Amino acid sequence: SYELTQPRSVSVALGQTARITCGGNNIGTKTVHWYQQRPGQAPVLVIFSDTNRPSGIPERFSGSKSGSAATLTISRAQAGDEADYYCQVWDISTAWMVFGGGTKLTVL
Amino acid sequence: QVQLVQSGAEVKKPGASVKVSCKASGYTFTNYDINWVRQATGQGLEWMGWMNPNNGFTGAAQKFQGRVTMTRNISIYTAYMEVSGLTSEDTAVYYCARRSDFLTGRIDPWGQGTLVTVSS
Repeated sequence: SYELTQPRSVSVALGQTARITCGGNNIGTKTVHWYQQRPGQAPVLVIFSDTNRPSGIPERFSGSKSGSAATLTISRAQAGDEADYYCQVWDISTAWMVFGGGTKLTVL
Repeated sequence: QVQLVQSGAEVKKPGASVKVSCKASGYTFTNYDINWVRQATGQGLEWMGWMNPNNGFTGAAQKFQGRVTMTRNISIYTAYMEVSGLTSEDTAVYYCARRSDFLTGRIDPWGQGTLVTVSS
């Protein structure tokens, strides 16, 4: 089955840029979505289809993808950005949804 | 606005079944699949399966096949997921979520979650 790999944790200084990666076999051929989950809350979509930002999500959040990994970038990190972040794809060959293991972002 | 509201917390004994409901509002219920995702305490998101509310077709991750039943009541815009043969490893928060883009698998929004505790 398809797997997505994320770093378990990423730290960023307040006001700096955080980058969270998501790796998977031939991920360049898949469409990646990103979710933010604050403690005790349900996940919220922050980036869809690799690079698109839903309405209401700050411009500080952006997404990109190369052939080997997708990346969620959070610019000018704020304390409120501390959360777990998950990448996700839909594996059309199996009709299964796949999540990465999640990355805990800490803002120092 | 588009919203999914789930039923309240449950406490079940090992071997029992639990049925979680997910009531949709703000959109046409039959136009979008409902997915179910669970999260054990301190763990990541685990996808369980999907249901097409229009025709009742379902698909489940391999580890849940045969143990998870997904149904719906179109008249009240509500999806259900029943998990049978509960063990302590099924203790988790269970989320329903709308697949808002069929081709890419984008899921948005999510319900608030339902805590299911399995304990003797």
